[in-house]
Amino acid sequence: AQTVTQSQPEMSVQEAETVTLSCTYDTSESNYYLFWYKQPPSRQMILVIRQEAYKQQNATENRFSVNFQKAAKSFSLKISDSQLGDTAMYFCAFMFSQGGSEKLVFGKGTKLTVNP
Amino acid sequence: DARVTQTPRDKVTEMGQEVTMRCQPILGHNTVFWYRQTMMQGLELLAYFRNRAPLDDSGMPKDRFSAEMPDATLATLKIQPSEPRDSAVYFCASGFNRYTQYFGPGTRLTVL
Repeated sequence: AQTVTQSQPEMSVQEAETVTLSCTYDTSESNYYLFWYKQPPSRQMILVIRQEAYKQQNATENRFSVNFQKAAKSFSLKISDSQLGDTAMYFCAFMFSQGGSEKLVFGKGTKLTVNP
Repeated sequence: DARVTQTPRDKVTEMGQEVTMRCQPILGHNTVFWYRQTMMQGLELLAYFRNRAPLDDSGMPKDRFSAEMPDATLATLKIQPSEPRDSAVYFCASGFNRYTQYFGPGTRLTVL
Protein backbone atom coordinates (compact mmCIF):
# COMPACT_ATOMS: atom_id res chain seq x y z
CA ALA A 1 0.00 0.00 0.00
CA GLN A 2 1.11 3.52 -0.74
CA THR A 3 1.25 5.70 2.36
CA VAL A 4 2.41 9.20 3.21
CA THR A 5 3.43 10.12 6.74
CA GLN A 6 3.81 13.61 8.15
CA SER A 7 5.17 13.18 11.64
CA GLN A 8 4.74 16.78 12.79
CA PRO A 9 1.07 17.62 13.42
CA GLU A 10 1.93 21.21 14.33
CA MET A 11 4.90 23.52 14.00
CA SER A 12 5.59 27.17 14.60
CA VAL A 13 8.28 29.53 13.37
CA GLN A 14 9.16 33.17 13.80
CA GLU A 15 8.69 35.48 10.88
CA ALA A 16 11.78 35.67 8.63
CA GLU A 17 13.21 32.40 9.95
CA THR A 18 13.52 29.06 8.18
CA VAL A 19 11.40 26.01 8.89
CA THR A 20 11.48 22.44 7.56
CA LEU A 21 8.42 20.19 7.36
CA SER A 22 8.98 16.45 7.22
CA CYS A 23 7.36 13.87 4.97
CA THR A 24 8.09 10.22 4.38
CA TYR A 25 6.32 7.85 2.05
CA ASP A 26 6.17 4.18 1.36
CA THR A 27 5.90 2.73 -2.12
CA SER A 28 7.17 -0.01 -4.37
CA GLU A 29 6.68 2.15 -7.44
CA SER A 30 9.73 3.41 -9.32
CA ASN A 31 8.09 6.26 -11.18
CA TYR A 32 6.02 8.70 -9.19
CA TYR A 33 5.56 12.33 -8.30
CA LEU A 34 5.63 14.13 -4.99
CA PHE A 35 3.87 17.34 -4.06
CA TRP A 36 3.47 19.80 -1.27
CA TYR A 37 0.12 21.56 -1.02
CA LYS A 38 -0.77 24.50 1.20
CA GLN A 39 -4.25 24.96 2.67
CA PRO A 40 -4.76 28.35 4.35
CA PRO A 41 -7.84 29.10 6.47
CA SER A 42 -9.71 29.94 3.27
CA ARG A 43 -9.47 26.12 2.70
CA GLN A 44 -8.25 26.54 -0.89
CA MET A 45 -5.68 23.86 -1.74
CA ILE A 46 -2.68 25.50 -3.37
CA LEU A 47 0.15 23.63 -5.06
CA VAL A 48 3.43 24.78 -3.53
CA ILE A 49 6.01 22.58 -5.21
CA ARG A 50 6.34 19.39 -7.22
CA GLN A 51 9.16 16.84 -7.58
CA GLU A 52 9.50 14.12 -10.17
CA ALA A 53 11.02 10.96 -8.68
CA TYR A 54 13.32 10.42 -11.66
CA LYS A 55 14.97 13.81 -11.16
CA GLN A 56 17.83 13.93 -8.71
CA GLN A 57 17.87 17.71 -8.51
CA ASN A 58 15.74 19.10 -5.71
CA ALA A 59 12.87 21.32 -6.82
CA THR A 60 12.83 24.99 -5.84
CA GLU A 61 10.11 27.62 -6.05
CA ASN A 62 11.19 31.00 -4.70
CA ARG A 63 11.32 30.63 -0.89
CA PHE A 64 10.21 26.99 -1.02
CA SER A 65 12.56 24.11 -1.65
CA VAL A 66 12.54 20.38 -1.08
CA ASN A 67 15.08 17.86 0.12
CA PHE A 68 14.24 14.73 -1.83
CA GLN A 69 15.99 11.58 -0.62
CA LYS A 70 14.70 8.79 -2.84
CA ALA A 71 16.49 5.93 -1.11
CA ALA A 72 15.22 7.05 2.26
CA LYS A 73 11.76 7.85 0.79
CA SER A 74 11.88 11.26 2.34
CA PHE A 75 10.53 14.51 0.91
CA SER A 76 10.88 17.47 3.25
CA LEU A 77 9.82 21.04 2.55
CA LYS A 78 11.98 23.99 3.55
CA ILE A 79 10.43 27.43 3.80
CA SER A 80 12.96 30.23 3.95
CA ASP A 81 12.28 33.77 5.17
CA SER A 82 8.91 32.71 6.58
CA GLN A 83 6.07 35.16 6.14
CA LEU A 84 2.82 35.56 8.03
CA GLY A 85 0.97 34.48 4.90
CA ASP A 86 2.69 31.08 5.08
CA THR A 87 0.48 30.19 8.05
CA ALA A 88 -1.54 27.21 6.81
CA MET A 89 -1.92 23.46 6.79
CA TYR A 90 0.70 21.82 4.61
CA PHE A 91 0.01 18.48 2.97
CA CYS A 92 2.56 16.18 1.43
CA ALA A 93 1.16 14.08 -1.42
CA PHE A 94 2.33 11.22 -3.59
CA MET A 95 1.04 10.40 -7.06
CA PHE A 96 1.45 7.12 -8.89
CA SER A 97 -0.16 5.35 -11.82
CA GLN A 98 -2.24 2.26 -11.31
CA GLY A 99 -4.39 0.46 -13.81
CA GLY A 100 -4.25 3.29 -16.31
CA SER A 101 -5.28 5.99 -13.90
CA GLU A 102 -3.48 8.22 -11.46
CA LYS A 103 -3.93 8.18 -7.71
CA LEU A 104 -2.94 10.93 -5.32
CA VAL A 105 -2.39 9.95 -1.69
CA PHE A 106 -2.14 12.67 0.94
CA GLY A 107 -0.53 12.80 4.35
CA LYS A 108 -2.51 13.99 7.36
CA GLY A 109 -0.96 17.44 7.23
CA THR A 110 1.20 19.74 9.34
CA LYS A 111 -0.29 22.90 10.77
CA LEU A 112 2.29 25.67 10.43
CA THR A 113 1.97 28.92 12.33
CA VAL A 114 4.25 31.84 11.52
CA ASN A 115 4.52 34.20 14.46
CA PRO A 116 5.28 37.91 14.13
CA ASP B 1 -6.47 33.98 -13.91
CA ALA B 2 -8.17 30.63 -14.64
CA ARG B 3 -9.62 28.83 -11.65
CA VAL B 4 -11.68 25.80 -10.79
CA THR B 5 -15.07 26.88 -9.51
CA GLN B 6 -17.35 24.92 -7.23
CA THR B 7 -20.91 25.49 -6.14
CA PRO B 8 -22.34 25.73 -3.60
CA ARG B 9 -19.63 26.98 -1.27
CA ASP B 10 -21.53 25.71 1.74
CA LYS B 11 -24.51 23.39 2.01
CA VAL B 12 -26.55 22.40 5.04
CA THR B 13 -29.15 19.72 4.54
CA GLU B 14 -31.12 17.17 6.45
CA MET B 15 -30.47 13.47 6.46
CA GLY B 16 -32.15 11.72 3.56
CA GLN B 17 -32.08 14.69 1.21
CA GLU B 18 -30.37 14.67 -2.17
CA VAL B 19 -27.26 16.82 -2.50
CA THR B 20 -25.67 17.87 -5.78
CA MET B 21 -22.29 19.56 -5.92
CA ARG B 22 -21.02 21.15 -9.11
CA CYS B 23 -17.58 21.85 -10.46
CA GLN B 24 -16.42 23.82 -13.46
CA PRO B 25 -12.90 22.74 -14.40
CA ILE B 26 -10.39 25.10 -15.92
CA LEU B 27 -11.00 25.45 -19.67
CA GLY B 28 -8.77 23.08 -21.57
CA HIS B 29 -8.16 20.70 -18.70
CA ASN B 30 -9.04 17.09 -19.50
CA THR B 31 -8.83 15.49 -16.06
CA VAL B 32 -11.17 16.04 -13.14
CA PHE B 33 -10.86 14.67 -9.64
CA TRP B 34 -13.26 14.63 -6.70
CA TYR B 35 -11.85 14.49 -3.17
CA ARG B 36 -13.39 14.43 0.28
CA GLN B 37 -11.67 15.96 3.30
CA THR B 38 -12.56 15.10 6.89
CA MET B 39 -10.68 15.56 10.13
CA MET B 40 -10.53 11.83 10.72
CA GLN B 41 -9.63 10.54 7.26
CA GLY B 42 -7.89 13.54 5.76
CA LEU B 43 -8.09 13.88 1.98
CA GLU B 44 -9.49 10.92 0.09
CA LEU B 45 -9.87 10.47 -3.66
CA LEU B 46 -13.46 9.67 -4.57
CA ALA B 47 -13.50 9.70 -8.37
CA TYR B 48 -11.40 10.55 -11.38
CA PHE B 49 -12.38 11.48 -14.93
CA ARG B 50 -10.27 11.84 -18.03
CA ASN B 51 -11.80 13.32 -21.19
CA ARG B 52 -15.17 13.08 -19.40
CA ALA B 53 -14.91 9.30 -19.00
CA PRO B 54 -14.80 7.89 -15.48
CA LEU B 55 -11.48 6.14 -14.91
CA ASP B 56 -11.64 5.36 -11.25
CA ASP B 57 -14.41 5.68 -8.71
CA SER B 58 -13.20 3.01 -6.34
CA GLY B 59 -13.02 5.50 -3.48
CA MET B 60 -16.68 6.37 -3.73
CA PRO B 61 -19.53 4.63 -1.86
CA LYS B 62 -21.49 3.31 -4.82
CA ASP B 63 -24.80 2.89 -3.11
CA ARG B 64 -25.40 6.58 -2.51
CA PHE B 65 -22.75 8.54 -4.43
CA SER B 66 -22.58 9.19 -8.15
CA ALA B 67 -20.24 11.33 -10.23
CA GLU B 68 -20.76 12.48 -13.80
CA MET B 69 -19.42 14.86 -16.42
CA PRO B 70 -22.35 15.85 -18.64
CA ASP B 71 -19.98 18.03 -20.66
CA ALA B 72 -16.41 19.28 -20.58
CA THR B 73 -17.35 22.34 -18.53
CA LEU B 74 -19.30 20.63 -15.76
CA ALA B 75 -18.67 17.83 -13.30
CA THR B 76 -21.23 16.82 -10.69
CA LEU B 77 -21.10 14.79 -7.50
CA LYS B 78 -24.42 13.64 -6.15
CA ILE B 79 -25.32 12.05 -2.84
CA GLN B 80 -28.71 10.41 -2.48
CA PRO B 81 -29.78 9.90 0.24
CA SER B 82 -27.37 11.95 2.33
CA GLU B 83 -26.28 10.84 5.81
CA PRO B 84 -24.59 12.70 8.69
CA ARG B 85 -21.34 10.78 8.05
CA ASP B 86 -21.17 12.44 4.62
CA SER B 87 -20.45 15.77 6.30
CA ALA B 88 -17.11 16.92 4.92
CA VAL B 89 -15.48 19.35 2.54
CA TYR B 90 -15.66 18.11 -1.04
CA PHE B 91 -13.00 19.31 -3.44
CA CYS B 92 -12.91 19.21 -7.18
CA ALA B 93 -9.56 19.48 -8.97
CA SER B 94 -8.71 19.66 -12.65
CA GLY B 95 -5.54 19.24 -14.66
CA PHE B 96 -4.21 19.07 -18.20
CA ASN B 97 -1.73 16.36 -17.41
CA ARG B 98 -1.55 13.67 -14.84
CA TYR B 99 0.98 15.45 -12.67
CA THR B 100 -0.70 18.75 -12.00
CA GLN B 101 -4.00 19.33 -10.26
CA TYR B 102 -5.59 22.66 -9.53
CA PHE B 103 -8.11 22.59 -6.73
CA GLY B 104 -11.37 24.46 -6.41
CA PRO B 105 -12.39 26.19 -3.16
CA GLY B 106 -14.42 23.19 -2.01
CA THR B 107 -18.01 22.66 -0.88
CA ARG B 108 -18.53 22.31 2.85
CA LEU B 109 -21.40 19.87 3.35
CA THR B 110 -23.18 19.51 6.65
CA VAL B 111 -25.82 16.81 6.95
CA LEU B 112 -27.97 17.14 10.05
